[in-house]
Formats: sequence, structure tokens, C-alpha cells
Amino acid sequence: DAGVIQSPRHEVTEMGQEVTLRCKPISGHNSLFWYRQTMMRGLELLIYFNNNVPIDDSGMPEDRFSAKMPNASFSTLKIQPSEPRDSAVYFCASSWRGQGGYTFGSGTRLTVV
Amino acid sequence: KQEVTQIPAALSVPEGENLVLNCSFTDSAIYNLQWFRQDPGKGLTSLLLIQSSQREQTSGRLNASLDKSSGRSTLYIAASQPGDSATYLCAVEEGAGNMLTFGGGTRLMVKP
Repeated sequence: DAGVIQSPRHEVTEMGQEVTLRCKPISGHNSLFWYRQTMMRGLELLIYFNNNVPIDDSGMPEDRFSAKMPNASFSTLKIQPSEPRDSAVYFCASSWRGQGGYTFGSGTRLTVV
Repeated sequence: KQEVTQIPAALSVPEGENLVLNCSFTDSAIYNLQWFRQDPGKGLTSLLLIQSSQREQTSGRLNASLDKSSGRSTLYIAASQPGDSATYLCAVEEGAGNMLTFGGGTRLMVKP
């Protein structure tokens, strides 16, 4: 298996622009998580899905953030409009209901200027 | 709310030393505990997964133990090498398919 695949690896955008991050979980995994990592706050959960259904989005910082999982093999995290304070590394992870642990993607490094 | 703490925050040792990284959590009702490694600018690599019914897991020079009742886990690295230099993260899962709560990590540097 190719693991959890995220795209793009790097994104530089101007403040106010829309940003879409993408994630393909491991085939067969039914839980998907979006995390954000910054130096100041470490790893924070933004939202997670079980069987494509959002379970907990309390970590989504503002209405500017939205996430979807239209099917078991694809998820997006969208920021609209983006702000410089959104600059961080965004990770996607997947698991089979916690069994076998979690597998993380390589992350998307977002820079908003 | 679960809180995970890792001590020390940073550690520098000479090559060859055996070392212990500590992780504590406030709610002992956990499902799994997982140790990750993160190299600078990279993603998280899973090292060891300890299920709540287990007390330890081993992989090569790494050994992780879990004491749920006291809310503690330790990661033991034997005969450390410069290639072990990275940030080590501890994370707990409170229920199957639930979120992971991460500690702040221990930044390890092993000097040749």
C-alpha cells in the first residue's frame, strides 16, 4: 500500500485566496483525521470522520475551515479565505477504527503570505 | 479532557547511551497508546503501538511500556545512534476510531 497520500506537499498562497488540501487514506481504513501542526501549539486535531461521516469538528478553528469526505478514498480540507495565521503543516491520518494504530501522510506545508 | 505530557522536552546524549523518554496522561481509560518519530520537516512515522491490554511492545532497539493505572508510558532506546536524532511523540487514543491526543514531544539529539 502506498500509505496515506496528501497533496500538495507545499502550498504558498496569498492572503484571501482559497486553499484546498487533499488526502487519500489507506484502502480499507474507515477513520480519517485532519491535524494541524505549528511550533506554538504542536499537533491539534481539526476534524475526524468515521465511515465518511464527520464525528468531531470541534477543532476546526473558524467557519473559514471546512472538510468533506465524499467517499472512503478521498477527503478535502478547504480554507476560504486564507490568512497568514493559517500557515502550518496539515497532516491527514487514517486508521481501521484504531486497530493497528494510525498512519500519517507526509503533510502539506501551507504558507499564507 | 485528556492531557498528554512528555518529559524531557529536549535531550542530548552521546552515541551509545541507553535512554528513556517519558509520557504521562491524565485519563487512564485509554484504548491504545502509540509512539511516533518525526524528523525535521517530515511526517510522523509510527514506531510502536501498545493496546490497552498490553504492557509493552518491542521493535529492535526500541521498547515501549505502558502502565495504565498510573497513566504512564516509557520509550526505551538502547545503544543510541546519531540516526535516532528526531522528535519522539507519544499519543493516546481513548476509544476505537477516536482521535489521538498528542504530547508535546521530546526532541532527541544523539551526538557522534
